Amino acid sequence: SQTIHQWPATLVQPVGSPLSLECTVEGTSNPNLYWYRQAAGRGLQLLFYSVGIGQISSEVPQNLSASRPQDRQFILSSKKLLLSDSGFYLCAWRGGSHEQYFGPGTRLTVT
Amino acid sequence: AQSVTQPDIHITVSEGASLELRCNYSYGATPYLFWYVQSPGQGLQLLLKYFSGDTLVQGIKGFEAEFKRSQSSFNLRKPSVHWSDAAEYFCAVGARGSQGNLIFGKGTKLSVKP
Repeated sequence: SQTIHQWPATLVQPVGSPLSLECTVEGTSNPNLYWYRQAAGRGLQLLFYSVGIGQISSEVPQNLSASRPQDRQFILSSKKLLLSDSGFYLCAWRGGSHEQYFGPGTRLTVT
Repeated sequence: AQSVTQPDIHITVSEGASLELRCNYSYGATPYLFWYVQSPGQGLQLLLKYFSGDTLVQGIKGFEAEFKRSQSSFNLRKPSVHWSDAAEYFCAVGARGSQGNLIFGKGTKLSVKP
């Protein structure tokens, strides 16, 4: 069966520091992968999606970037964090019928 | 462009009472439709999905949803709510033939009174 992992689970970082969040999927190959950010009361905001290795689409201009160095690995990065980057970050992969399956999430607090 | 509206930000029901969470969507054709549930600090769990066929869809945890094309709605229902159903619920819509991107509503928080 398929599983999706995210780490770290929580992170507290100072403003201006770099960021790297990792997402890995097991049990499937060449999945579509997604990064979302969730802020209180604002639902889910799609940040990036990837249909394959090295293929990244950005949905919103921002301080973040994404990379997909391996088939089942998706990384969210930033060179310098802003206070506004705080939030709950979710990774997801797409199943065979367009449904998406989510990881447990990373809570990022920028101080 | 697709959009999803969940009109109720917060709903409180008594344990054992019935539940209906509303979802309206905007899309030119028949979309894929989903309901997800999220407990605090956790990821989203898929409750059910609609692609085609029978407009009444059964999901996990005793939930069901009905697709009504004429009303552009996909409301989630449960006949008897349990305290463990307290969570946030998200409706999502996906376009057929697209990259598979979903548009999510802003969510409805469900509280359950004992």
